[in-house]
Amino acid sequence: EAAVTQSPRNKVAVTGGKVTLSCNQTNNHNNMYWYRQDTGHGLRLIHYSYGAGSTEKGDIPDGYKASRPSQENFSLILELATPSQTSVYFCASGDPGQGAEVFFGKGTRLTVV
Amino acid sequence: GDQVEQSPSALSLHEGTGSALRCNFTTTMRAVQWFRKNSRGSLINLFYLASGTKENGRLKSAFDSKERYSTLHIRDAQLEDSGTYFCAAEASMGYKLTFGTGTSLLVDP
Repeated sequence: EAAVTQSPRNKVAVTGGKVTLSCNQTNNHNNMYWYRQDTGHGLRLIHYSYGAGSTEKGDIPDGYKASRPSQENFSLILELATPSQTSVYFCASGDPGQGAEVFFGKGTRLTVV
Repeated sequence: GDQVEQSPSALSLHEGTGSALRCNFTTTMRAVQWFRKNSRGSLINLFYLASGTKENGRLKSAFDSKERYSTLHIRDAQLEDSGTYFCAAEASMGYKLTFGTGTSLLVDP
C-alpha cells in the first residue's frame, strides 16, 4: 500500500515565524508535490519535484520554498509565515504519465496567527 | 493554463438515491483521478482512468479524453458517502495534476 506521511498534522504559527512542513513517502516515486486546499479553490499546486535535489515552482509558489534532499523526503518551508497562508496543506507522491495514481498524505492544518 | 471545471459545487441526496458529478477540461488531458475528502480531512483515491470506465461498488467513473470530460456516478447513496469529491486531471505534457474546485456531497436519511 502506497504511503505518504506528513508531519506535523496540525500547527499553529505566529506571523513572521518560520514553518517547515515535512513529507515522507515510501513508494519510491520520483515526483512529489505540495498543494494547499482552500474552500472554492480546490487544491492548488505550490511546488513539486522530479527527484532528489530538484524543486520546481507550481501555480502559487510565492511565499514558499521547497526542499527535496532525498527521494523519500520533500519539505515545504514558509520563511516568514503570514495569516494568508492559513490553510490545509497536502503532500503527494506519484509518477503521472506512467499509468500510475498519485497518493496523498492526510494533510496538515496550518493556522498562522 | 489548463482548467478543470467541476460541477455541481454542492449536492444533497437522500439515502438510496443517486446522481452524477462532472468535470470538464479546457484542454486534452491524459488521465483523470477522483478523490473523496473524508470527515477526517484525508484524501481517498477513488479512481484513476486513462480512458473508458471503471466501477467500484456503488461508484462508477468515466473519462473521455477526446470530448474533454469525466464523470463520477454515485448510486444508492449512503450516509458515509458524504464528503467533498475532487477530480484531478493529468496534463498531456508534464507531470502536473490540475484539480477541480470540488463537490460537497451531503447524504441525508
